Amino acid sequence: DTAVSQTPKYLVTQMGNDKSIKCEQNLGHDTMYWYKQDSKKFLKIMFSYNNKELIINETVPNRFSPKSPDKAHLNLHINSLELGDSAVYFCASSPTGYGHYGYTFGSGTRLTVV
Amino acid sequence: GENVEQHPSTLSVQEGDSAVIKCTYSDSASNYFPWYKQELGKRPQLIIDIRSNVGEKKDQRIAVTLNKTAKHFSLHITETQPEDSAVYFCAAFNQGGKLIFGQGTELSVKP
Repeated sequence: DTAVSQTPKYLVTQMGNDKSIKCEQNLGHDTMYWYKQDSKKFLKIMFSYNNKELIINETVPNRFSPKSPDKAHLNLHINSLELGDSAVYFCASSPTGYGHYGYTFGSGTRLTVV
Repeated sequence: GENVEQHPSTLSVQEGDSAVIKCTYSDSASNYFPWYKQELGKRPQLIIDIRSNVGEKKDQRIAVTLNKTAKHFSLHITETQPEDSAVYFCAAFNQGGKLIFGQGTELSVKP
């Protein structure tokens, strides 16, 4: 009955591969996000979608491409993986794009590029 | 752009003592300030938040204060317990629609 679920939880892959991470929320929230947490624990926003529309697109390599088929799903596809992409990727959702409510985070996907 | 500075980066206290974590933000239009707790290997979880029209909020052993003029906000944990050990993040939500996180504080509560 998880509110924000991500798959897979762990992902180990070789440099140069393409991989996807999936996220689904059953909270009825309008807005979803991708955050990257590096080895120093810093949480940095990558993308935000509101009702399937991209509203935040930070300075992220264009190897990263988000896709939102509907407002309950936000997937992240990464092409040509590099060693520096290794991190924990968190999906999150909130009721609106205005952030006046706390975000609910998924359990994270630990990506290791070897 | 928006910047949130958080101090200290690590904090060690004895069980029963108080812990204080401080943050400053740069965008004066920021209007919402949540705090998250992240246990090892787990997701960040919202523990308390404060909006810009309020100066202080308390929930049992945790409290947050906000000084809009100085652009400071703080988390206070009283009577700390070992299960309070975690990484704590402050965050500020700005008019640009982004929740910007501080760098995190690793709190260790020693029994």
